[in-house]
Amino acid sequence: NAGVTQTPKFRILKIGQSMTLQCAQDMNHNYMYWYRQDPGMGLKLIYYSVGAGITDKGEVPNGYNVSRSTTEDFPLRLELAAPSQTSVYFCASRGTGGADTQYFGPGTRLTVL
Amino acid sequence: DQQVKQNSPSLSVQEGRISILNCDYTNSMFDYFLWYKKYPAEGPTFLISISSIKDKNEDGRFTVFLNKSAKHLSLHIVPSQPGDSAVYFCAGGKDTGRRALTFGSGTRLQVQP
Repeated sequence: NAGVTQTPKFRILKIGQSMTLQCAQDMNHNYMYWYRQDPGMGLKLIYYSVGAGITDKGEVPNGYNVSRSTTEDFPLRLELAAPSQTSVYFCASRGTGGADTQYFGPGTRLTVL
Repeated sequence: DQQVKQNSPSLSVQEGRISILNCDYTNSMFDYFLWYKKYPAEGPTFLISISSIKDKNEDGRFTVFLNKSAKHLSLHIVPSQPGDSAVYFCAGGKDTGRRALTFGSGTRLQVQP
């Protein structure tokens, strides 16, 4: 049981490049999330999904896209990378119980130069 | 609008003493609160939670207190150990809808041997 996995761990992009951050979970969780954490700040919600085929925006969705074709995978796509997207990105998942905790992946540290 | 606030960016305590981490919130609609612990280069890991209808929850060395009238919660760690040195995030969550978490900005705890 690997929990939530994320790849890559680190990435440097040039302005205008695109990339996909991968996230997978093996706990059969319906809910999945993408957060970003900027230095000295809390985690902010980018996108979330309540099940395969269903996604919606969080608080900071601009510049990102997601898809959820399977229960296990929830990739985050960055189009036309900008320096403001330099951050640490965390993927998380949770079950459907009332107060189920969220389980987080190890994060992807992205730098846009 | 910061719905969850951690006003102390850092805290230093001696090994064996009590650590008290504080958190304030403005959204009365949270159904529960959680504390997450984060080590460098890792994702946040769940520590302890409390339902909004409770005022205390205890798990070993960790106790969370909730004061609804003051919209304040605190995490007590007794006794503090060097391995507790990490960043602690407070978060509020709801039982309905997207069930995402709203995080505070974190408090870095340093436990001195």
